Amino acid sequence: GENVEQHPSTLSVQEGDSAVIKCTYSDSASNYFPWYKQELGKRPQLIIDIRSNVGEKKDQRIAVTLNKTAKHFSLHITETQPEDSAVYFCAASKRGSQGNLIFGKGTKLSVKP
Amino acid sequence: DAGVIQSPRHEVTEMGQEVTLRCKPISGHDYLFWYRQTMMRGLELLIYFNNNVPIDDSGMPEDRFSAKMPNASFSTLKIQPSEPRDSAVYFCASSSSPGQGVNEQFFGPGTRLTVL
Repeated sequence: GENVEQHPSTLSVQEGDSAVIKCTYSDSASNYFPWYKQELGKRPQLIIDIRSNVGEKKDQRIAVTLNKTAKHFSLHITETQPEDSAVYFCAASKRGSQGNLIFGKGTKLSVKP
Repeated sequence: DAGVIQSPRHEVTEMGQEVTLRCKPISGHDYLFWYRQTMMRGLELLIYFNNNVPIDDSGMPEDRFSAKMPNASFSTLKIQPSEPRDSAVYFCASSSSPGQGVNEQFFGPGTRLTVL
């Protein structure tokens, strides 16, 4: 069945450094790729998303890149801050199932001051 | 809009008891999703509805779980009888019909269920 693999599962960086999280997906029909951030004890919230008709999207310190040929997409966070510490989930839309997303297992990012 | 509303926020019950979780989606959204989150299994989709109709319930663990959406503004997830392994955070999420693909899912605050 459809699957989304996310790496790494944990990531620790120093404040000010960059962080990169990578995801691969199996469904070639996937055309929507959101990233969610979940702080401890809180709900997942969308931070950025990308559709299959673009290769890159940026929003301040956050950027997402998409390689449809290789079926992988990545989240890039620059100039990390302690408040970036959270669990990040990638997701991909599911074939023939409008509205449905397949989520990765999550990456726990720790930014050390 | 108040966002997705879930109740209760916390539920502690004893094994064998019936548990009912409630969700009110964002007004105008026609997709509703129920997820379960645990440390071991991450975020799992249990079931989702479109226009109040269940579309995919393949993630429902077993017959002890059932979900309904009697109208566009209310859904329930019921566990009967509950077991300790059902302990998790249950999220409800909603989204609108995709205009050009899939749209953002908005999550509720979750219900933390503990089954003793």
